[in-house]
Amino acid sequence: DVKVTQSSRYLVKRTGEKVFLECVQDMDHENMFWYRQDPGLGLRLIYFSYDVKMKEKGDIPEGYSVSREKKERFSLILESASTNQTSMYLCASSPWGSDTQYFGPGTRLTVL
Amino acid sequence: GNSVTQMEGPVTLSEEAFLTINCTYTATGYPSLFWYVQYPGEGLQLLLKATKADDKGSNKGFEATYRKETTSFHLEKGSVQVSDSAVYFCALSYRGGSNYKLTFGKGTLLTVNP
Repeated sequence: DVKVTQSSRYLVKRTGEKVFLECVQDMDHENMFWYRQDPGLGLRLIYFSYDVKMKEKGDIPEGYSVSREKKERFSLILESASTNQTSMYLCASSPWGSDTQYFGPGTRLTVL
Repeated sequence: GNSVTQMEGPVTLSEEAFLTINCTYTATGYPSLFWYVQYPGEGLQLLLKATKADDKGSNKGFEATYRKETTSFHLEKGSVQVSDSAVYFCALSYRGGSNYKLTFGKGTLLTVNP
Protein backbone atom coordinates (compact mmCIF):
# COMPACT_ATOMS: atom_id res chain seq x y z
CA ASP A 1 0.00 0.00 0.00
CA VAL A 2 1.13 3.52 -0.78
CA LYS A 3 1.77 5.46 2.37
CA VAL A 4 1.92 9.23 2.50
CA THR A 5 2.59 10.72 5.89
CA GLN A 6 2.49 14.29 7.10
CA SER A 7 4.49 15.53 10.04
CA SER A 8 1.62 16.92 12.11
CA ARG A 9 -2.13 16.40 12.22
CA TYR A 10 -2.75 19.68 14.02
CA LEU A 11 -0.59 22.78 14.23
CA VAL A 12 -1.15 26.16 15.86
CA LYS A 13 1.15 29.06 14.93
CA ARG A 14 1.24 32.80 15.42
CA THR A 15 1.04 35.45 12.71
CA GLY A 16 4.46 36.16 11.24
CA GLU A 17 6.01 32.82 12.21
CA LYS A 18 7.82 30.68 9.66
CA VAL A 19 6.00 27.37 9.29
CA PHE A 20 7.24 24.10 7.82
CA LEU A 21 4.86 21.33 6.79
CA GLU A 22 6.55 18.07 5.91
CA CYS A 23 5.32 15.24 3.71
CA VAL A 24 6.98 11.85 3.15
CA GLN A 25 5.97 9.07 0.77
CA ASP A 26 7.37 5.56 0.75
CA MET A 27 6.55 4.40 -2.78
CA ASP A 28 9.34 6.04 -4.75
CA HIS A 29 6.87 8.33 -6.54
CA GLU A 30 8.30 11.04 -8.76
CA ASN A 31 5.41 13.50 -8.39
CA MET A 32 4.38 15.22 -5.18
CA PHE A 33 1.71 17.86 -4.58
CA TRP A 34 0.56 20.30 -1.91
CA TYR A 35 -3.09 21.37 -1.72
CA ARG A 36 -5.12 23.43 0.67
CA GLN A 37 -8.70 22.51 1.45
CA ASP A 38 -11.25 25.10 2.52
CA PRO A 39 -15.00 24.69 3.03
CA GLY A 40 -16.94 25.57 -0.10
CA LEU A 41 -13.76 25.85 -2.18
CA GLY A 42 -12.68 22.22 -2.43
CA LEU A 43 -9.01 21.44 -2.99
CA ARG A 44 -6.71 23.98 -4.59
CA LEU A 45 -3.21 23.18 -5.81
CA ILE A 46 -0.45 25.25 -4.22
CA TYR A 47 2.74 23.72 -5.65
CA PHE A 48 3.86 20.47 -7.15
CA SER A 49 7.16 18.77 -7.90
CA TYR A 50 7.97 16.16 -10.51
CA ASP A 51 11.55 15.48 -9.48
CA VAL A 52 14.11 16.26 -6.83
CA LYS A 53 14.85 20.00 -6.71
CA MET A 54 12.14 20.65 -9.32
CA LYS A 55 9.01 22.59 -8.50
CA GLU A 56 6.17 24.30 -10.31
CA LYS A 57 3.54 26.73 -9.13
CA GLY A 58 -0.02 25.58 -8.87
CA ASP A 59 -3.11 27.73 -8.79
CA ILE A 60 -2.51 29.57 -5.49
CA PRO A 61 1.27 29.77 -4.79
CA GLU A 62 1.28 33.26 -3.24
CA GLY A 63 2.59 33.25 0.32
CA TYR A 64 4.06 29.74 0.02
CA SER A 65 7.29 28.11 -1.08
CA VAL A 66 8.39 24.49 -1.30
CA SER A 67 11.50 22.38 -1.03
CA ARG A 68 12.29 18.96 -2.41
CA GLU A 69 15.81 17.88 -1.54
CA LYS A 70 15.08 14.14 -1.47
CA LYS A 71 12.71 12.15 -3.65
CA GLU A 72 10.57 10.95 -0.77
CA ARG A 73 10.15 14.28 1.01
CA PHE A 74 8.30 17.45 -0.04
CA SER A 75 8.08 20.42 2.32
CA LEU A 76 5.68 23.34 2.23
CA ILE A 77 6.95 26.57 3.77
CA LEU A 78 4.96 29.54 4.93
CA GLU A 79 7.60 32.27 5.16
CA SER A 80 5.46 34.55 7.33
CA ALA A 81 2.20 32.93 8.37
CA SER A 82 -0.98 34.96 8.14
CA THR A 83 -4.47 34.29 9.47
CA ASN A 84 -5.81 33.71 5.95
CA GLN A 85 -3.52 30.69 5.71
CA THR A 86 -5.54 28.90 8.37
CA SER A 87 -6.64 25.80 6.50
CA MET A 88 -6.32 22.06 6.02
CA TYR A 89 -3.17 21.20 4.03
CA LEU A 90 -3.05 17.95 2.08
CA CYS A 91 -0.03 16.33 0.51
CA ALA A 92 -0.29 13.81 -2.34
CA SER A 93 2.03 11.77 -4.53
CA SER A 94 1.79 9.89 -7.82
CA PRO A 95 4.10 7.81 -9.99
CA TRP A 96 5.58 9.30 -13.13
CA GLY A 97 3.02 9.30 -15.95
CA SER A 98 0.10 8.30 -13.70
CA ASP A 99 -2.97 10.42 -13.07
CA THR A 100 -3.91 8.72 -9.78
CA GLN A 101 -2.80 10.59 -6.67
CA TYR A 102 -2.42 9.18 -3.17
CA PHE A 103 -3.10 11.49 -0.26
CA GLY A 104 -1.76 11.91 3.24
CA PRO A 105 -4.01 12.44 6.28
CA GLY A 106 -3.72 16.23 6.20
CA THR A 107 -2.43 18.91 8.57
CA ARG A 108 -4.96 21.29 10.06
CA LEU A 109 -3.08 24.57 10.53
CA THR A 110 -4.46 27.40 12.63
CA VAL A 111 -2.71 30.78 12.49
CA LEU A 112 -3.59 33.08 15.38
CA GLY B 1 -10.16 25.59 -19.03
CA ASN B 2 -10.93 22.53 -16.97
CA SER B 3 -13.56 22.57 -14.28
CA VAL B 4 -15.72 20.22 -12.21
CA THR B 5 -19.14 21.04 -10.84
CA GLN B 6 -20.77 18.79 -8.29
CA MET B 7 -24.03 19.08 -6.45
CA GLU B 8 -23.88 21.16 -3.34
CA GLY B 9 -24.54 19.53 -0.06
CA PRO B 10 -25.09 18.70 2.52
CA VAL B 11 -26.98 15.55 1.61
CA THR B 12 -28.73 13.72 4.44
CA LEU B 13 -30.14 10.23 3.92
CA SER B 14 -31.49 7.42 6.00
CA GLU B 15 -29.68 4.09 6.05
CA GLU B 16 -30.48 1.89 3.03
CA ALA B 17 -31.59 4.86 0.91
CA PHE B 18 -30.45 5.32 -2.68
CA LEU B 19 -27.66 7.84 -3.23
CA THR B 20 -26.91 10.01 -6.24
CA ILE B 21 -24.31 12.79 -6.22
CA ASN B 22 -24.22 14.66 -9.51
CA CYS B 23 -20.96 15.66 -11.16
CA THR B 24 -20.44 17.40 -14.50
CA TYR B 25 -17.19 18.54 -16.04
CA THR B 26 -15.69 20.83 -18.64
CA ALA B 27 -12.43 19.75 -20.20
CA THR B 28 -10.38 19.82 -23.34
CA GLY B 29 -9.44 16.42 -24.63
CA TYR B 30 -10.34 13.20 -22.88
CA PRO B 31 -9.66 13.33 -19.18
CA SER B 32 -9.89 10.49 -16.69
CA LEU B 33 -12.57 11.01 -14.07
CA PHE B 34 -12.38 10.19 -10.39
CA TRP B 35 -14.38 10.07 -7.20
CA TYR B 36 -12.40 10.54 -4.00
CA VAL B 37 -13.85 10.15 -0.49
CA GLN B 38 -12.73 11.88 2.71
CA TYR B 39 -13.87 10.30 5.97
CA PRO B 40 -13.98 12.54 9.05
CA GLY B 41 -10.52 13.57 10.19
CA GLU B 42 -8.73 11.83 7.32
CA GLY B 43 -7.16 12.58 3.97
CA LEU B 44 -8.68 11.73 0.60
CA GLN B 45 -8.92 8.15 -0.63
CA LEU B 46 -9.51 7.12 -4.20
CA LEU B 47 -12.99 5.59 -4.40
CA LEU B 48 -13.26 4.84 -8.11
CA LYS B 49 -12.00 5.93 -11.50
CA ALA B 50 -12.94 5.77 -15.19
CA THR B 51 -10.54 6.48 -18.01
CA LYS B 52 -12.71 6.69 -21.13
CA ALA B 53 -16.24 7.23 -22.37
CA ASP B 54 -18.80 4.60 -21.26
CA ASP B 55 -16.39 3.14 -18.69
CA LYS B 56 -17.99 2.32 -15.35
CA GLY B 57 -15.92 2.65 -12.21
CA SER B 58 -17.07 0.73 -9.16
CA ASN B 59 -15.91 0.08 -5.61
CA LYS B 60 -17.55 -0.70 -2.23
CA GLY B 61 -21.02 -0.68 -3.83
CA PHE B 62 -20.51 2.74 -5.42
CA GLU B 63 -20.67 3.19 -9.18
CA ALA B 64 -20.16 5.98 -11.69
CA THR B 65 -20.31 5.91 -15.50
CA TYR B 66 -18.27 8.22 -17.73
CA ARG B 67 -20.84 9.90 -19.99
CA LYS B 68 -19.12 11.92 -22.69
CA GLU B 69 -22.36 13.05 -24.34
CA THR B 70 -23.59 14.70 -21.14
CA THR B 71 -20.08 15.38 -19.71
CA SER B 72 -21.14 13.74 -16.48
CA PHE B 73 -19.83 11.25 -13.93
CA HIS B 74 -22.59 10.86 -11.33
CA LEU B 75 -21.89 8.79 -8.23
CA GLU B 76 -24.54 6.25 -7.18
CA LYS B 77 -25.04 3.66 -4.48
CA GLY B 78 -28.09 1.52 -4.09
CA SER B 79 -28.17 1.28 -0.30
CA VAL B 80 -26.09 3.61 1.84
CA GLN B 81 -24.77 2.80 5.31
CA VAL B 82 -23.93 5.02 8.25
CA SER B 83 -20.26 4.29 7.55
CA ASP B 84 -20.61 6.01 4.14
CA SER B 85 -20.92 9.38 5.89
CA ALA B 86 -18.07 11.43 4.40
CA VAL B 87 -17.22 14.19 1.95
CA TYR B 88 -17.16 13.07 -1.69
CA PHE B 89 -15.05 14.85 -4.32
CA CYS B 90 -15.39 14.51 -8.07
CA ALA B 91 -12.20 15.21 -10.03
CA LEU B 92 -10.72 15.10 -13.51
CA SER B 93 -7.14 14.67 -14.63
CA TYR B 94 -5.39 16.76 -17.22
CA ARG B 95 -1.92 16.74 -18.63
CA GLY B 96 0.19 19.67 -17.48
CA GLY B 97 3.53 19.37 -19.24
CA SER B 98 4.88 15.85 -18.89
CA ASN B 99 2.69 14.88 -15.97
CA TYR B 100 -0.90 14.86 -14.83
CA LYS B 101 -2.70 17.15 -12.43
CA LEU B 102 -6.16 16.95 -10.92
CA THR B 103 -8.97 19.49 -10.84
CA PHE B 104 -11.47 18.91 -8.03
CA GLY B 105 -15.06 19.83 -7.42
CA LYS B 106 -15.94 21.57 -4.19
CA GLY B 107 -17.03 18.41 -2.41
CA THR B 108 -20.39 17.10 -1.20
CA LEU B 109 -20.94 16.23 2.45
CA LEU B 110 -23.05 13.09 2.91
CA THR B 111 -24.56 12.23 6.27
CA VAL B 112 -26.33 8.89 6.67
CA ASN B 113 -28.58 8.49 9.70
CA PRO B 114 -29.44 5.11 11.26
